[in-house]
Amino acid sequence: QKEVEQNSGPLSVPEGAIASLNCTYSDRGSQSFFWYRQYSGKSPELIMFIYSNGDKEDGRFTAQLNKASQYVSLLIRDSQPSDSATYLCAVKRGYGGSQGNLIFGKGTKLSVKP
Amino acid sequence: DTAVSQTPKYLVTQMGNDKSIKCEQNLGHDTMYWYKQDSKKFLKIMFSYNNKELIINETVPNRFSPKSPDKAHLNLHINSLELGDSAVYFCASSRLGDIPRSYTFGSGTRLTVV
Repeated sequence: QKEVEQNSGPLSVPEGAIASLNCTYSDRGSQSFFWYRQYSGKSPELIMFIYSNGDKEDGRFTAQLNKASQYVSLLIRDSQPSDSATYLCAVKRGYGGSQGNLIFGKGTKLSVKP
Repeated sequence: DTAVSQTPKYLVTQMGNDKSIKCEQNLGHDTMYWYKQDSKKFLKIMFSYNNKELIINETVPNRFSPKSPDKAHLNLHINSLELGDSAVYFCASSRLGDIPRSYTFGSGTRLTVV
């Protein structure tokens, strides 16, 4: 079982719709969860992080975490064409040694159609 | 004033050669990383390093070696390059104690082995 799994997509949504991106992870002891956005040919940039079960909102972005189900998601409201990118889910298992390294999923490619 | 800088941005070389990629961060971070991103966009950790500990992903061939002359630099040396080494290599850095302890990525080095 892969450590962090995402649907590779592409996920296509119309402009103004809600885009829902999902991620599951295998290590039940994982501590912190991140969403990175990567435009084609660019480096990943952090857009959201979450530690606790529940929802966390930041502007048009909402991260949701359910540790019991080992599931984390990202919702993008009022999707814009500029949101078109690959979204990478990343998990950190702990704080020291290799546990502190970010483990990435393969990413979901999002396409927002005008 | 780039936070994490990598050189070169592009590198084309022949099989069997030895090459290096340089990385420097001016963020005062204490930990640096090398990630490999393959053609399917999968970001896989290769090394993490701070002034106390080098952690090597066990799947990384020993042809790859990190060299850190000081806290702000982590260079990647690759010996006897193979076709399968073609990928984008990202350097990243973070600081223990930051919340969140997210990573800042460099712009990447696209390595093509011919």
